[in-house]
Amino acid sequence: KQEVTQIPAALSVPEGENLVLNCSFTDSAIYNLQWFRQDPGKGLTSLLLIQSSQREQTSGRLNASLDKSSGRSTLYIAASQPGDSATYLCAVRMRKGGSEKLVFGKGTKLTVNP
Amino acid sequence: EAQVTQNPRYLITVTGKKLTVTCSQNMNHEYMSWYRQDPGLGLRQIYYSMNVEVTDKGDVPEGYKVSRKEKRNFPLILESPSPNQTSLYFCASSSWSGSSYEQYFGPGTRLTVT
Repeated sequence: KQEVTQIPAALSVPEGENLVLNCSFTDSAIYNLQWFRQDPGKGLTSLLLIQSSQREQTSGRLNASLDKSSGRSTLYIAASQPGDSATYLCAVRMRKGGSEKLVFGKGTKLTVNP
Repeated sequence: EAQVTQNPRYLITVTGKKLTVTCSQNMNHEYMSWYRQDPGLGLRQIYYSMNVEVTDKGDVPEGYKVSRKEKRNFPLILESPSPNQTSLYFCASSSWSGSSYEQYFGPGTRLTVT
């Protein structure tokens, strides 16, 4: 059974700092991996999606890496801002035949202090 | 505008009173799914549908029903809601096209069962 773990569960940093969020998964047979952002009481915003054949994806100040063989992904946020404060969720997508299963980690709650 | 809509967004109901949460997508996606999000447990898949008239259980299907009579709609039915179904519910739709993947989440439905 696929399990996704995110470390740390919470992180507080001063504005301007570069930071790394970690995600690990137990079954390397993934189709892709996705990072989401969730603001309190809100829906999910997709940040980056990395296909299983890719090593990294970048969008603005965000860079996500994937090492499928070791079951790890990182989300790097450069020059953090108070507006980056949110919960970040990592999810791996398993695909078997025509079915799809998205398994989420429990998230890292990020607070960026001005 | 591509979107997934859910209704209602907020619902307070009593134990045993049947309810339906609707989900609709306008992107002609084949795949739709329902998730619930609970503190400390993260997001868990309830049911998914690979296409019209094709549905299957996710990780936590007990107490829920779904149907997929049309491609755009995937309602979640609680025949006899109980307090342990108090949660934040998300609907999602997705589609593969060659090597590209597209997914959208709805805004969420916050359900309270008293």
